Amino acid sequence: QLQLQESGPGLVKPSETLSLTCTVSGGSISSSSYYWGWIRQPPGKGLEWIGSIYYSGSTYYNPSLKSRVTISVDTSKNQFSLKLSSVTAADTAVYYCARSTRPGWFDPWGQGTLVTVSS
Amino acid sequence: EIVMTQSPATLSVSPGERATLSCRASQSVSSNLAWYQQKPGQAPRLLIYGASTRATGIPARFSGSGSGTEFTLTISSLQSEDFAVYYCQQYNNWPTFGGGTKVEIK
Repeated sequence: QLQLQESGPGLVKPSETLSLTCTVSGGSISSSSYYWGWIRQPPGKGLEWIGSIYYSGSTYYNPSLKSRVTISVDTSKNQFSLKLSSVTAADTAVYYCARSTRPGWFDPWGQGTLVTVSS
Repeated sequence: EIVMTQSPATLSVSPGERATLSCRASQSVSSNLAWYQQKPGQAPRLLIYGASTRATGIPARFSGSGSGTEFTLTISSLQSEDFAVYYCQQYNNWPTFGGGTKVEIK
């Protein structure tokens, strides 16, 4: 059974870079059928797709976040990572990682990790 | 950006009754639409993809329909575990989600 688990700091200072890692278990991140994505959800609000990556390193990003986002993959560790630069309080959210088709739906999802941006 | 609009924002339904949730796209997304269920403190769970195909393990009381710009998620007979927030998501272009419909106990 495929499982995803997010990890990283729960508190980031304004103007700094948010960094999270998603570890995939129960399957290979190098599967040719899937992309791997990040989605976030501010407290009490809806879902926003951040971006996705293929195991080869090919990426596509939400245009509204593209200038601040970098997603990378480490196939040797079965992990992919998110970096979001120049964060503000508006970036406070639960960040989820998930597998997807491209274009496509997201399934399964990690449990999510809350990142708070505050000094 | 394709904007997804869900209605109503809140739906009050009694257990055993039918619930009908709507999702509208700002432009055609063909059948490239998914539905998710989210319970408090949990990640979203995929219910439907391709507008009408149930994901693995999803009960038959959940059904999806529609194409183009108008979509519907129907829960034929609400069970206690179905009270949650439901989101639609289009993937005809870069993914965007609707604002959600909360299904609450009447």
